[in-house]
Order: sequence, then structure tokens, then C-alpha cells
Amino acid sequence: ETGVTQSPTHLIKTRGQQVTLRCSSQSGHNTVSWYQQALGQGPQFIFQYYREEENGRGNFPPRFSGLQFPNYSSELNVNALELDDSALYLCASSGRGQETQYFGPGTRLLVL
Amino acid sequence: DAKTTQPPSMDCAEGRAANLPCNHSTISGNEYVYWYRQIHSQGPQYIIHGLKNNETNEMASLIITEDRKSSTLILPHATLRDTAVYYCIVRGGHGGGSNYKLTFGKGTLLTVNP
Repeated sequence: ETGVTQSPTHLIKTRGQQVTLRCSSQSGHNTVSWYQQALGQGPQFIFQYYREEENGRGNFPPRFSGLQFPNYSSELNVNALELDDSALYLCASSGRGQETQYFGPGTRLLVL
Repeated sequence: DAKTTQPPSMDCAEGRAANLPCNHSTISGNEYVYWYRQIHSQGPQYIIHGLKNNETNEMASLIITEDRKSSTLILPHATLRDTAVYYCIVRGGHGGGSNYKLTFGKGTLLTVNP
């Protein structure tokens, strides 16, 4: 059974650019949640996808958007990058009826 | 989701039990207590969760008080690799709706010393 994987591991972008981060959920899981973790802080919930639909959203602007695919993998897209978007982006998967979220290793994004 | 309060840091000697406290005095009847840990720059690792009863798995034990207003995570024989930030999280009952997210605080930095 494979765990949650994320790509890329590290990324450097400049202000104003757009970025796409990817997540493959754990086998058998149909729900993916995304979190942003700034340095020295706990992870903050961005949004969750269940069966390809957004299933809840945290306090993040619309330039943060996502997708979930039929195989339950997911993408996080961030447009018009700002310096404060520099963070560790975490993806977690879970299955309905088994609600525990399991996290991937994260993608470290640096915006210059 | 109910708020949790944890000490910012704790120390423990290698080989001894580490007891990490968490207060969640506003917890509701259908809310679970979850524990995760995060080793520097890695993704959070699930440890254990419980509703009312004490729970034990291969990693740790979770002791929840009878009134459910506090809990303790116990690592029975701490090793250097257990040095991490430990997060206590209260989340809604299983089954969908508004219980979908985990709300992380700042957690407890546990340092295991040789």
C-alpha cells in the first residue's frame, strides 16, 4: 500500500507567477485536503476535495484553487504568487468511513 | 471545532515515558481527540485518536479524562527519534459536513535528551 505522495519536493517561483502542486492520495482514499504551513506555525486548512468536488474551504483567497481527478489525485493551483505564499504545502488523504487524514511529505515553495 | 491548549515545550530523557498533556475544555460530545506529530520539515504523522475510551496502538497510548476536558498522550519509552512537535486536535464527529478539517495550534515541542 503506497502512502500519500507529493510533487515537486521543492519549488522556487517569483512574485506574480503561477504554480501547480500535485498530490497522489493513499490507496483506497477518496478525499484530499490541502494545508499551508508557514515557518514556525501549524498547518492551516486551505480546502478539501471529495469525489472531485470542493467539500469545504478555509480562509484563503480565490487565487488558491484546486482540482481532484477521477483517480482521486489532486492539484493545488496558486495564481499571482505573493511573497507570503512561501510555505510548506501539505496534502492529506482520507477515506469516507475512515476519517483519519494521512499526510504527504509536503512541497516547499519559495516565492522571491 | 473546540480549541486545545498545550504547553509550548517539554523535555524527556531517552528511555523514559513522555506524557504530553492537552486541555480541550469546550469539547462537544461527538468530537474526537486526535494526535499528530511533525518532525522537522516533514509532513505531520498520525499517532492516535479517541472519543471517550482510552486507546493504545503500537506508537502511543491516549488517556482521556472522564469529563473529556483533557487528555494525555503517552509515549512509553521515548527515543531520540521521538523529538518532534506534537499536535493535539479536536475535530468533529465522523460522517461529513463541517468536520472535514483539522485545526492545528502551535503544538508542544518535545525534546528527547540522551
